Amino acid sequence: DIQMTQSPSSLSASVGDRVTITCRASQNINSYLNWYQQKPGKAPKLLIFAASSLQGGVTSRFSGSGSGTDFTLTISSLQPEDFATYYCQQSYNTPLTFGGGTKVEIK
Amino acid sequence: QVQLQESGPGLVNPSQTLSLTCTVSGGSIRSGFYYWSWIRQPAGKGLEWIGRVYSSGSTNYNPALGSRVTISIDTSKNRFSLKLTSVTAADTAVYFCARDQWDTVRATTWFDPWGQGTLVTVSS
Repeated sequence: DIQMTQSPSSLSASVGDRVTITCRASQNINSYLNWYQQKPGKAPKLLIFAASSLQGGVTSRFSGSGSGTDFTLTISSLQPEDFATYYCQQSYNTPLTFGGGTKVEIK
Repeated sequence: QVQLQESGPGLVNPSQTLSLTCTVSGGSIRSGFYYWSWIRQPAGKGLEWIGRVYSSGSTNYNPALGSRVTISIDTSKNRFSLKLTSVTAADTAVYFCARDQWDTVRATTWFDPWGQGTLVTVSS
């Protein structure tokens, strides 16, 4: 199985901050990497697919980059509605696997 | 727009079979390049992919769950189902269904949309 490691596992930030979350795959996954946002009690929501493509309807504050084994999700200017947990997920092969999550909290 | 809704018992006895159904509305389960997946999340923990089914009935499963998992599809009722046998307390989780969209240009997939999730507790 491909292991996905996210860092940090949690972070505290202020509104307006630039936030970066990293995801590392245990092997080369090309650009087969997706990012999701999950708020408490809700289903995950797709933000970024194929490493850098913004899902329709998602604010351009979110951006993704990377290929191979190292990937980044960036929130350019953190807004109150962005406080949530973020997961990366590889779609290179099955079993499809997720990172452990990064919880973004209010400082 | 396509919507997914999970349904099934919220409480299952240990050693019994967990059965859930995901009903798809707003689109045909047979259309396009889609797989249909089940994903679960224990309370306070991360996401685990359980497996997926294609409209033809072909499946992929997570080996971590061994032979306990069966995912099937009923195209006439626009729904797909999960069966997990010999459950234990470790199977207690919120279970989500999701559309697993296949993009032929990028040769990759992603989960969108998701159902709201249903909590299944394994306890006597």
